[in-house]
Amino acid sequence: DTAVSQTPKYLVTQMGNDKSIKCEQNLGHDTMYWYKQDSKKFLKIMFSYNNKELIINETVPNRFSPKSPDKAHLNLHINSLELGDSAVYFCASSWGDTQYFGPGTRLTVL
Amino acid sequence: EDKVVQSPLSLVVHEGDTVTLNCSYEVTNFRSLLWYKQEKKAPTFLFMLTSSGIEKKSGRLSSILDKKELFSILNITATQTGDSAVYLCAGGAQKLVFGQGTRLTINP
Repeated sequence: DTAVSQTPKYLVTQMGNDKSIKCEQNLGHDTMYWYKQDSKKFLKIMFSYNNKELIINETVPNRFSPKSPDKAHLNLHINSLELGDSAVYFCASSWGDTQYFGPGTRLTVL
Repeated sequence: EDKVVQSPLSLVVHEGDTVTLNCSYEVTNFRSLLWYKQEKKAPTFLFMLTSSGIEKKSGRLSSILDKKELFSILNITATQTGDSAVYLCAGGAQKLVFGQGTRLTINP
């Protein structure tokens, strides 16, 4: 009964490819997020959705496109992958200000 | 620009020691200060603080917020090797700004 789950856990791909990461939460939260954590462990917010509506859209290349089919799911699609996209991507959901994180997806672009 | 700064960046102590981790913030839309513990995978929630001067405790961990001076501390007493992790603090409201973390290592 995982609260916030992500698939896949690991993703290794070539530059230029397109890939997607999926996230699901069963906590009944209205708000979901995508974060990128780089090698220095900085967690930076990318996007946030509240009830399927985009509410936070940080300065992220438009190769990154989030999609929320319903409030329990928030997927991240990345086009034309670049070396600098290599990082761990975390999904989170929140009730109030407290955010609960998924296990992360380690993306490696070769 | 919003920022959250943690210190020290790295700390190595012996089991049984007490440690204090610091977090200062300058966040425009501030409502809460949160602490997370990150071992190998996802950050796990420790505390959320919204009011100044009120200490929150959970076992050997405690935290307090000073909204006038814009900082928070996380104390861990009688440290154990299982406390080894990166501790993250974050400030904001719906949008959280994270610090760079303090890497805490507890040696037996």
